[in-house]
Amino acid sequence: EAGVAQSPRYKIIEKRQSVAFWCNPISGHATLYWYQQILGQGPKLLIQFQNNGVVDDSQLPKDRFSAERLKGVDSTLKIQPAKLEDSAVYLCASSDISGANVLTFGAGSRLTVL
Amino acid sequence: AQSVTQLGSHVSVSEGALVLLRCNYSSSVPPYLFWYVQYPNQGLQLLLKYTSAATLVKGINGFEAEFKKSETSFHLTKPSAHMSDAAEYFCAVSNGNFGNEKLTFGTGTRLTIIP
Repeated sequence: EAGVAQSPRYKIIEKRQSVAFWCNPISGHATLYWYQQILGQGPKLLIQFQNNGVVDDSQLPKDRFSAERLKGVDSTLKIQPAKLEDSAVYLCASSDISGANVLTFGAGSRLTVL
Repeated sequence: AQSVTQLGSHVSVSEGALVLLRCNYSSSVPPYLFWYVQYPNQGLQLLLKYTSAATLVKGINGFEAEFKKSETSFHLTKPSAHMSDAAEYFCAVSNGNFGNEKLTFGTGTRLTIIP
C-alpha cells in the first residue's frame, strides 16, 4: 500500500511569512495526526483528526497555527506568521480504527525560519 | 498523564556488540509501548510494540524489547549491532484507546555504530 505522503519536503521562509504543509494519509485511515519535531527532541503532537473532526488540538498554538482535514482525507497545516522557533520537521501520521495504536508516519516536511 | 524517559541521548557500540537502549515509562493505565526508528531525513518507522500480550516483544531487524511492570521499563536490545542500525530511536507510550490513540514520545537516543 502507498505510504503517507507529505509535501513539500523542505521549505525555507523568513520570519513573519506564512507556510502550508500538505498530507495525504494511507487510504482508509480515519485518524490523522500532525506532530512537530524540533531538532534534538521527540515528536510532539500538534493536532489529531478523526475523519474530518478535531479530536485533540490542545498543543496547537492557535494564534499562528491552523489545520484542516477536508472530506476526512487530505490535511493541510498552516503557520502564519512564522517565528524562528517554528523551525522543525512537521510529521504527518495516520492510523485506522483497528490499527492497534500503530501510526504510520510520512517522511516529514522540514521548515527553516530565518 | 503518560510519559516516557529515555536514558542516554547518545549511545555508541561497536559493530557486533550488544545494543541496549533504555526506556522507562509512566502511565496511570496499563500502557501500550512502542519503539520507533528514524533514519536521517526519513519519517519514523515502527520497530515493535507491546500491547499487553507477551512481555517479550520481537520486532524487525533483530530488535526485541521486554516489558517489565515492576521496573516500569521497556528497554530495547539487539544481540549484535550492524552498521545499518545507526539511527535515532524513540520510545513512545499510548493511552490505548482504539481509534483515539495518542502517542507520547521520548526525547530519543541516537545510536552510533563503531566499525
